Amino acid sequence: EAGVVQSPRYKIIEKKQPVAFWCNPISGHNTLYWYRQNLGQGPELLIRYENEEAVDDSQLPKDRFSAERLKGVDSTLKIQPAELGDSAVYLCASSSQGNGSFGPGTRLTVL
Amino acid sequence: GEDVEQSLFLSVREGDSSVINCTYTDSSSTYLYWYKQEPGAGLQLLTYIFSNMDMKQDQRLTVLLNKKDKHLSLRIADTQTGDSAIYFCAESMNRDDKIIFGKGTRLHILP
Repeated sequence: EAGVVQSPRYKIIEKKQPVAFWCNPISGHNTLYWYRQNLGQGPELLIRYENEEAVDDSQLPKDRFSAERLKGVDSTLKIQPAELGDSAVYLCASSSQGNGSFGPGTRLTVL
Repeated sequence: GEDVEQSLFLSVREGDSSVINCTYTDSSSTYLYWYKQEPGAGLQLLTYIFSNMDMKQDQRLTVLLNKKDKHLSLRIADTQTGDSAIYFCAESMNRDDKIIFGKGTRLHILP
């Protein structure tokens, strides 16, 4: 079984530029999550989807972050414009019936 | 509020047992997890325990839960060099719910 796929694995941009991350969850997993992991910290939830519906986006900075999960499968997370403090690893995870898995993450560096 | 606390660093000699401790604040947490993160890799679920259990053993791993004190521990028997990683304690209220992570304990193996 293929795991959660994320791309790109690494991204370096200058501040004020836009950036987008893509996630392909495990087939059949209805629940999809985006987490952000700052250096030396544990992951923190940004947004959780049940199928195509965002059921928890309370921690998503909506002034610059947006996410979508069209058709309830793949998801994209966008930052526009990026700030220096957005440098982190962005992790996608998916689950179904309590069986979850994390992707390898996208390491974002904002210069 | 929800909070998970764990010590940041643990050093253990190869062959000894490692014990990583964690405390959490949310008494309604139903699922308690231990994740492993190796450099450059994603999060790997090691084991989890339901809040109505006191102990769970899986090969070299033993999880102990003291629900009264909201204390969770992970014991790794016969610690090997491959166990060197960051271990995250985490909790969630329900299956497929968001997961609250601690900051992680970096396990260093001495020869």
